Amino acid sequence: QSVLTQPPSVSGAPGQRVTISCTGSSSNIGAGYDVHWYQQLPGTAPKLLIYGNNNRPPGVPDRFSGSKSGTSASLAITGLQAGDEADYYCQSYDSSLSGWVFGGGTKLTVL
Amino acid sequence: EVQLVESGGGLVQPGGSLRLSCAASGFTFTNYWMSWVRQAPGKGLEWVANIKQNGREKYYLDSVKGRFTISRDNAKNSLYLQMNSLRAEDTAVYYCARDRPSMTGHDYWGQGTLVTVSS
Repeated sequence: QSVLTQPPSVSGAPGQRVTISCTGSSSNIGAGYDVHWYQQLPGTAPKLLIYGNNNRPPGVPDRFSGSKSGTSASLAITGLQAGDEADYYCQSYDSSLSGWVFGGGTKLTVL
Repeated sequence: EVQLVESGGGLVQPGGSLRLSCAASGFTFTNYWMSWVRQAPGKGLEWVANIKQNGREKYYLDSVKGRFTISRDNAKNSLYLQMNSLRAEDTAVYYCARDRPSMTGHDYWGQGTLVTVSS
């Protein structure tokens, strides 16, 4: 059971918009800690997609965006492409655990 | 170019020990916290431990406290994870990752090294 809760899977057709939710608690997201998102393509290491709730590292397309409110955060992907098929993970810091915590991951399928 | 290269994984019996290494290059190693993150086969990501730039602050996942020790050698630009009393549930790919400043995630990851704990 992950500290941060994500839906196991989401899907969408090419060109569509999808969102992935990440729900935490008062000791992590709700405590004001930032949320970060990672993309993991099959057989590869994770890649930082969004940091600090809504910031994109260099090279990440603006089709990817993040938001945070209260004890939850969301990743939005617009203009879905076949190459976006991957597992997506949210991450935050948890003060009661004194460490980083991840969501269980969401598998994105492009139909 | 930032590079993180892990080594040291392998097959080990329950109760055994293993030491993972991560060779860093392409950036000023002494400027960054560093982390180990693992991923069990078919499962999600799990942060294991991290260490401050000077090595004087270390934090661990509860389930590895007392069994795993994170360390670094800044002269060699290297990060280590000493794993003792290994259990089957420690079986995973272990990634070395660089922590961005101000707790804003991990911006570079190694390719990972597989640790299998089995008799």
